[in-house]
Amino acid sequence: RKEVEQDPGPFNVPEGATVAFNCTYSNSASQSFFWYRQDCRKEPKLLMSVYSSGNEDGRFTAQLNRASQYISLLIRDSKLSDSATYLCVVNMANQAGTALIFGKGTTLSVSS
Amino acid sequence: ETGVTQSPTHLIKTRGQQVTLRCSSQSGHNTVSWYQQALGQGPQFIFQYYREEENGRGNFPPRFSGLQFPNYSSELNVNALELDDSALYLCASRRGSGGPLTSYNEQFFGPGTRLTVL
Repeated sequence: RKEVEQDPGPFNVPEGATVAFNCTYSNSASQSFFWYRQDCRKEPKLLMSVYSSGNEDGRFTAQLNRASQYISLLIRDSKLSDSATYLCVVNMANQAGTALIFGKGTTLSVSS
Repeated sequence: ETGVTQSPTHLIKTRGQQVTLRCSSQSGHNTVSWYQQALGQGPQFIFQYYREEENGRGNFPPRFSGLQFPNYSSELNVNALELDDSALYLCASRRGSGGPLTSYNEQFFGPGTRLTVL
């Protein structure tokens, strides 16, 4: 089983749609969770951290369920500029430093 | 811009050759991590340097090695290149204390070096 698994995608949605990405992780001792965004041929950039209480940033909502080892990202009112690859990322508690473990990524394409 | 720079931006090598990639961390950042991202995959952790010492390593063979300098810039060296080493190599820097990440603490990624091995 991979350490971090994501929906394979791609997701093709019209502008204004709501889209949800799911992610599961295998190491129950993981402590930190993130969603990164990566544009084509660019470096990943932090989109948001994910906390057990859930967190929201504008149109983006992230949720963490530690019991199920499940992370989600909800994007409401999709914009063309949301088109990118979304990476689910976990910091494994048994590794030193910021050994971030990335999922394979899910590609989102928003069309007009 | 993140303030993390990498050089070169692109590189073409042949099998068996050696390559050195460079990373300048953001000002004030003492920790640098290196990642390999193959096409269609997420980045994979290679290793991390904190205060000039390697203090974490992923599942990569010894022919992947690195250095960190007193100014916290870093190099990734790959010996005996193989075709599967073709990838985007990313470095990321942060201000750290050498221990595990236990709270929100953003890493800043550089733009990457795209290595092609023929």
